Amino acid sequence: NAGVTQTPKFRVLKTGQSMTLLCAQDMNHEYMYWYRQDPGMGLRLIHYSVGEGTTAKGEVPDGYNVSRLKKQNFLLGLESAAPSQTSVYFCASSYSGPKETQYFGPGTRLLVL
Amino acid sequence: DQQVKQNSPSLSVQEGRISILNCDYTNSMFDYFLWYKKYPAEGPTFLISISSIKDKNEDGRFTVFLNKSAKHLSLHIVPSQPGDSAVYFCAASVVSGTYKYIFGTGTRLKVLA
Repeated sequence: NAGVTQTPKFRVLKTGQSMTLLCAQDMNHEYMYWYRQDPGMGLRLIHYSVGEGTTAKGEVPDGYNVSRLKKQNFLLGLESAAPSQTSVYFCASSYSGPKETQYFGPGTRLLVL
Repeated sequence: DQQVKQNSPSLSVQEGRISILNCDYTNSMFDYFLWYKKYPAEGPTFLISISSIKDKNEDGRFTVFLNKSAKHLSLHIVPSQPGDSAVYFCAASVVSGTYKYIFGTGTRLKVLA
């Protein structure tokens, strides 16, 4: 039981490049989330999904897109990376919504030059 | 506008003593609160939660107190151990709302041996 896994662990991009971060969970959770963590800012929700085929915007969605084609996977895309997107990205999943524990992946460290 | 605030970025405590981590919130609609612990290079892990119908919840060495009138919650760790050294995030949600948590900025706890 791997829990929540994230690929890649670390990536360096040049401004304007695109990339996709992959999150996978093997707990049959309905809800999945993408957060970013920046110094002094805590964890901020980018996008989330309440089930396969659904996505919704969080607090800081601009510059990101997401897809949930399969229940176990949640992809975060950066179409044209900017230095402001340098951050640590965490994926999380939960069985259902509020009052359910969110299980986090180990994070992806992204540096945009 | 930071709806969940952790005003102490860091805290140092001697091993065996009590650690008290504080969290304030501004949104009176929040009715469910959690604490997460995060070690370096790992994702956050769930620690303890409390519903707004309670003012205290205890789990082993960890106790969370909620003061709704003051919009304040605190996490007490007794006795503190070196392994408790981590960043602690509080988070809040509206249970009947949109399935998302608002996280605080985190407090780095260092337990000195």
